[in-house]
Amino acid sequence: QVQLQQWGAGQLKPSETLSLTCGVFDGFFTGYYWSWVRQPPGKGLEWIGEMDHGGNANYNPSLKSRVTISVDTSKNQVSLKLTSVTAADTAVYYCARGRLGDHWGQGTLVTVSS
Amino acid sequence: QSVLTQSPSASGTPGQRVTISCSGSSYNIGSNTVNWYQQLPGAAPKLLIYSDWRRPSGVPDRFSGSKSGTSASLAISGLQSEDEADYYCAALDDSLNAPVFGGGTKLTVL
Repeated sequence: QVQLQQWGAGQLKPSETLSLTCGVFDGFFTGYYWSWVRQPPGKGLEWIGEMDHGGNANYNPSLKSRVTISVDTSKNQVSLKLTSVTAADTAVYYCARGRLGDHWGQGTLVTVSS
Repeated sequence: QSVLTQSPSASGTPGQRVTISCSGSSYNIGSNTVNWYQQLPGAAPKLLIYSDWRRPSGVPDRFSGSKSGTSASLAISGLQSEDEADYYCAALDDSLNAPVFGGGTKLTVL
């Protein structure tokens, strides 16, 4: 059973860069889309972006200027970077396998506060 | 404002059957399959239904999905207290070239 484990800084100050990594264990890595989704406190799910199996990224237009998703196939890892964060970026961030997500990471709460 | 529309809340008593609906358009539900997720408090979303009605291994057959036109539904029969959670629908949207989610339905077991 594939497992996704996330790690990264959970406390950021405004203008800093959010950086999260998702490791994929006990499952195939290549051939899949990998996605990031976030959930502000008490709110619903928001798609951030995805990387396809050809290495092409697709981002939410509202975040496109600030977000980068990358994959390291040698380590079975997918990463998320979001620059110039503000309080509005405070959320639980999830990585997921597939465009809609059949397996999800445990989530990382990222709080942006001065 | 979510692209897919769900009622914010639903409720039922133990043993009852409840239905949660998800409304979209020809660009998403009308032309692509629907997934449903269950999110227990403090946990990550868990895939409950994929490709409109299919259940991943381990999901009880009390959960079932259906779709008609631009709407989809999740039915839960024999409601149990542990079913109290938030439920989300999702589909790919061809006009946005992106996944879209419903706003979520909070299910309360009375």
